[in-house]
Amino acid sequence: EVQLVESGGGLVQPGRSLRLSCAASGFTFDDYAMHWVRQPPGKGLEWVSGISWNSGSISYADSVKGRFTISRDNAKNSLYLQMNSLRAEDTALYYCAKVREGKYSSTWYGGFDYWGQGTLVTVSS
Amino acid sequence: DIQMTQSPSSLSASVGDRVTITCRASQSISKYLHWYQEKPGKAPNLLIYAASSLQSGVPSRFSGSGSGTDFTLTISTLQPEDFATYYCQQSYSIPRTFGQGTKVEIK
Repeated sequence: EVQLVESGGGLVQPGRSLRLSCAASGFTFDDYAMHWVRQPPGKGLEWVSGISWNSGSISYADSVKGRFTISRDNAKNSLYLQMNSLRAEDTALYYCAKVREGKYSSTWYGGFDYWGQGTLVTVSS
Repeated sequence: DIQMTQSPSSLSASVGDRVTITCRASQSISKYLHWYQEKPGKAPNLLIYAASSLQSGVPSRFSGSGSGTDFTLTISTLQPEDFATYYCQQSYSIPRTFGQGTKVEIK
């Protein structure tokens, strides 16, 4: 059974840092790209960042570029999001998500077939 | 950035109704379009990928169509468990933008 379990969220002051983790199990982690998606309270989904299976391709939303860093450790089946210079508008439930198609798939469309339950980040003084 | 616009933002429907939600992309995204269902307190669930392919385990009353810029999610016969918020998302380019969501409520 595929499981994604986020951790590391909490209450943090503006300007401070936080590191989120996502522990993956039930699938061959290093075959798949992974992403972070967030949802501010009462609002819609916002894509944050993505990383390819081998960390060779990384991308960010403009709203977090230069402040957030995505990484993965395939030996530990883990995904990370280092968040620096946090702002009030970063307050959200942060999800990690797995891309449906792996590196050996003959076709690729890129939907997210598994999501964690999320970890809440609150940026407030 | 590719903007994704869903309509309507919300709708009221009854059990047994046929429900259609549309999603329009600001530029052509071929079939790189996915639909998710979100219920309160739960993570989003992939319903349809590649515009029209049913994700494994999803009931066949859900279907998707479209390509290019205009897409549709249809629920053929609305069930009580389908009252939720639905999002479209494009994976054609970075950033991977979502629509604003469509809330399906009980009439």
